[in-house]
Amino acid sequence: ETGVTQTPRHLVMGMTNKKSLKCEQHLGHNAMYWYKQSAKKPLELMFVYNFKEQTENNSVPSRFSPECPNSSHLFLHLHTLQPEDSALYLCASSQGGAGGDEQFFGPGTRLTVL
Amino acid sequence: KQEVTQIPAALSVPEGENLVLNCSFTDSAIYNLQWFRQDPGKGLTSLLLIQSSQREQTSGRLNASLDKSSGRSTLYIAASQPGDSATYLCAVVSGGSYIPTFGRGTSLIVHP
Repeated sequence: ETGVTQTPRHLVMGMTNKKSLKCEQHLGHNAMYWYKQSAKKPLELMFVYNFKEQTENNSVPSRFSPECPNSSHLFLHLHTLQPEDSALYLCASSQGGAGGDEQFFGPGTRLTVL
Repeated sequence: KQEVTQIPAALSVPEGENLVLNCSFTDSAIYNLQWFRQDPGKGLTSLLLIQSSQREQTSGRLNASLDKSSGRSTLYIAASQPGDSATYLCAVVSGGSYIPTFGRGTSLIVHP
């Protein structure tokens, strides 16, 4: 595996379900990001982790819970989501310095909340 | 709050044309600006990164310029090809916050 990978690529869940998105980067980077891309808005930054420490939470509702066990893996735990949370969720990584370095993106997880 | 605007929202051109995509931002105190392309249903591919101290960057048929004082960046695509069809996004990282702000993108179609 190379670059940034995300699983699953597609996910359909009900509002009462609990699921997790996974991201893994194989680039030796130190910063990882979660973004949300919905049809009606520009790409929105959700969370930033730098050296496994969360450095940014962009006013994201608590039904989204990130986890970064090490600098190569990032999870987004989902629970009691709403239909408006349906979107493409993108993970990215950079060498270091949240936002300051070139970012590399994964293919995304297409999430549909019923 | 930084705001990023991309014009035009959509563009359809015949193969071979030279193109200019525009990105404007409201706060000139930026750290860097990055151009991406996104194919339908896919993630973003980094094209060019311009640091705030730079005026332009080039990669193959692509050239990106940055004018901080006027709050503008342009992406120039030379001799466009059907494979260039995609959505092009610019992202501005503001100095201090280091939070990237994205534009809505320009959807480009290059037809044979």
